[in-house]
Amino acid sequence: QKEVEQDPGPLSVPEGAIVSLNCTYSNSAFQYFMWYRQYSRKGPELLMYTYSSGNKEDGRFTAQVDKSSKYISLFIRDSQPSDSATYLCAMSAGAGGTSYGKLTFGQGTILTVHP
Amino acid sequence: DAMVIQNPRYQVTQFGKPVTLSCSQTLNHNVMYWYQQKSSQAPKLLFHYYDKDFNNEADTPDNFQSRRPNTSFCFLDIRSPGLGDAAMYLCATKPRRSTGGLGETQYFGPGTRLLVL
Repeated sequence: QKEVEQDPGPLSVPEGAIVSLNCTYSNSAFQYFMWYRQYSRKGPELLMYTYSSGNKEDGRFTAQVDKSSKYISLFIRDSQPSDSATYLCAMSAGAGGTSYGKLTFGQGTILTVHP
Repeated sequence: DAMVIQNPRYQVTQFGKPVTLSCSQTLNHNVMYWYQQKSSQAPKLLFHYYDKDFNNEADTPDNFQSRRPNTSFCFLDIRSPGLGDAAMYLCATKPRRSTGGLGETQYFGPGTRLLVL
């Protein structure tokens, strides 16, 4: 079983729809949770960052973390064609151990927003 | 703008011919990482440097080596590339202590896409 599970999709939605992406994880040591957006043939760019449980909102994006359920979500409101990309969840237990600040990624969900 | 730069963006090599990928950063971050990402898969950590302290992931093949001559530069050497090494190689950096509430965020370069013929 993978440490982080993410449905690869693909997910196709019309412009203006609300998009829900999520990941589950098994390692209870994870404390730092991130969502990265990766356009085709480009490197990942940070979209949202959350420490421990709770919600965080930034414009059209909302990230939620439920550590009790080991479940994280990313919501995109009023989705736009420019949101079409692969969305990767990533998690870290923080500094320490043999892999300093190692990120464990989900497989990524391919999202297409069509006009 | 402070950033992570990778060169080349695309690299074609022959089976068994050594290849070197480079990464440079203007962020002055202490930690640098190399990830391998195959098509439709999650990035997989190969190794990282904390300053000059090198740390290898247990499952990273011996075929992969790395050098970090100074804070700004890091190199990935593939000694004898096989067809299975064709992938996107991502370099990322992280400060030892982050500010602005972004504790464990890593900053990625654009990647180098490696093709092995």
